Amino acid sequence: DGGITQSPKYLFRKEGQNVTLSCEQNLNHDAMYWYRQDPGQGLRLIYYSQIVNDFQKGDIAEGYSVSREKKESFPLTVTSAQKNPTAFYLCASSMGPRDSPLHFGNGTRLTVT
Amino acid sequence: AQSVTQLDSHVSVSEGTPVLLRCNYSSSYSPSLFWYVQHPNKGLQLLLKYTSAATLVKGINGFEAEFKKSETSFHLTKPSAHMSDAAEYFCVVSETGGSYIPTFGRGTSLIVHP
Repeated sequence: DGGITQSPKYLFRKEGQNVTLSCEQNLNHDAMYWYRQDPGQGLRLIYYSQIVNDFQKGDIAEGYSVSREKKESFPLTVTSAQKNPTAFYLCASSMGPRDSPLHFGNGTRLTVT
Repeated sequence: AQSVTQLDSHVSVSEGTPVLLRCNYSSSYSPSLFWYVQHPNKGLQLLLKYTSAATLVKGINGFEAEFKKSETSFHLTKPSAHMSDAAEYFCVVSETGGSYIPTFGRGTSLIVHP
């Protein structure tokens, strides 16, 4: 079955450490997205990529980095510069045009202490 | 520029009664509008979408939404709530002529009482 796989489901890190969240899709979608979800704030866009080897900052990119070396993969690194990294992170993909719905992974819950 | 406002952060209904989740949008261009549902600790699932065809859109699990351009609204309804409908619901807008990056509302938590 086609879909998006995020791993791991739960991730624990110490403050000051970088951590990379995995996102893989086999839907052959061009566009991929990373969102951060905090209670009561909806989804906020971190980074997005519309094509391989290209990506753009979203609304809250500071303290995060991404790469898009392959169409199916869009990993997110949460760096030590991110002031409040504890959150639920969601990866999504779409075919690209405005009327294309997003397909979501099941998320990674990151806890930094 | 595009934006979306979900008018209620929480909606509480009894099982078997109608559901209404309200969404207003703002868009400089012809928008595409979506409703997604999220169950706890899960990703989001598409309920339905509007893309300038019929103004009344039917989705999965008995939900439907009506696009009203004059009111800039896209409210989500269901005639009879089920316990399994308890979840977080997000209204999303994406506009032609812009970057087509979707903008999410803050979500409405639907609580269903037995």
